[in-house]
Amino acid sequence: GQQLNQSPQSMFIQEGEDVSMNCTSSSIFNTWLWYKQDPGEGPVLLIALYKAGELTSNGRLTAQFGITRKDSFLNISASIPSDVGIYFCAVQNYGGSQGNLIFGKGTKLSVKP
Amino acid sequence: DAMVIQNPRYQVTQFGKPVTLSCSQTLNHNVMYWYQQKSSQAPKLLFHYYDKDFNNEADTPDNFQSRRPNTSFCFLDIRSPGLGDAAMYLCATSSRTGDVNGYTFGSGTRLTVV
Repeated sequence: GQQLNQSPQSMFIQEGEDVSMNCTSSSIFNTWLWYKQDPGEGPVLLIALYKAGELTSNGRLTAQFGITRKDSFLNISASIPSDVGIYFCAVQNYGGSQGNLIFGKGTKLSVKP
Repeated sequence: DAMVIQNPRYQVTQFGKPVTLSCSQTLNHNVMYWYQQKSSQAPKLLFHYYDKDFNNEADTPDNFQSRRPNTSFCFLDIRSPGLGDAAMYLCATSSRTGDVNGYTFGSGTRLTVV
């Protein structure tokens, strides 16, 4: 089945540092999403990207939709302890159940105060 | 606040004993999804309902069933849980298929099989 390759798997950083993670696919997708999941909770949408080359910000978060429509990255600037969690990229799967999401394996972020 | 509520948050069941997880929503969304998320893995879609129409993923085991008696409620039934079914089960809703901005997840039910 279709897969998203998300990297890195985990990051351990100091508070105040910037963070970058990315996601790639062998297939073209028209919608890329970034979610954050706190421990014991469901994923929460951070940013949705709909256009190739699009750069979108949400506070300290910035995400870009790759021009080839096969990749995306998420940056977090000036990290704080509450940024801790697992970040998932996701795409909409039009080939299978319309509207369902395919998720990457996640990037686990740890922030040291 | 309008939201997606999953009960219980934690469920322990015995190997082979049927268990039901529930999801309710106050968003009046047409679509309700069930995802399985095993430890350190990505959520994986099991099935979804578009109104009353049930859509099963091809690789979802027969052991997993679902019911949607009305717009607000959706249940996940595991007929004979095995140790490999221990996971977080996430319910999600959307107003229509393809609506990613309205896609809302519940907090999940963590299932333990003993």
